[in-house]
Amino acid sequence: RKEVEQDPGPFNVPEGATVAFNCTYSNSASQSFFWYRQDCRKEPKLLMSVYSSGNEDGRFTAQLNRASQYISLLIRDSKLSDSATYLCVVNRGSQGNLIFGKGTKLSVKP
Amino acid sequence: GAVVSQHPSRVICKSGTSVKIECRSLDFQATTMFWYRQFPKQSLMLMATSNEGSKATYEQGVEKDKFLINHASLTLSTLTVTSAHPEDSSFYICSATSSMVMNTEAFFGQGTRLTVV
Repeated sequence: RKEVEQDPGPFNVPEGATVAFNCTYSNSASQSFFWYRQDCRKEPKLLMSVYSSGNEDGRFTAQLNRASQYISLLIRDSKLSDSATYLCVVNRGSQGNLIFGKGTKLSVKP
Repeated sequence: GAVVSQHPSRVICKSGTSVKIECRSLDFQATTMFWYRQFPKQSLMLMATSNEGSKATYEQGVEKDKFLINHASLTLSTLTVTSAHPEDSSFYICSATSSMVMNTEAFFGQGTRLTVV
């Protein structure tokens, strides 16, 4: 089983749509969880950290289920500028290396 | 947020030569630096992890004698691609984190696009 697995995508959605990305991780000792966004030919940038209680930042909501080792990202009211690849990132145990999922590509169309 | 500077952003070199990529944390002490490689339309793949003052830990399948990593200070790590070949052409990205802060995110450099001709 891969350390971090994500929906393969791509997701092609119209503006205004709600889209959800899923991610599972294999290391039960993982402590830190993040969603990063990567635009074409650029470095990844942190979108949001993911906390056990779930957290929301504007149109973005992240959820963590430790029992199922599952992370999700929900984007509401999609904008054209949301088009990017979304990377699920998990650390390999406390203070461990950050391991990236393969990413899910999102294309928001007018 | 913290700043990580990676240099050069783009390099073209001849096959057989070596290329050094620098990764600097500008405003925090990077106890750990990670080096990733990304081929076109593929995800970031972790190559190695380096902790300041100790030898790097390489991921399976990554040749440590080909990809030399040095992390001599809390603000600088270097990756040297030795005897580069065209198949080493890729996007190399470093990231830095600090073990002094729990559950910290990683801060990324801008990446280096290496082309070996």
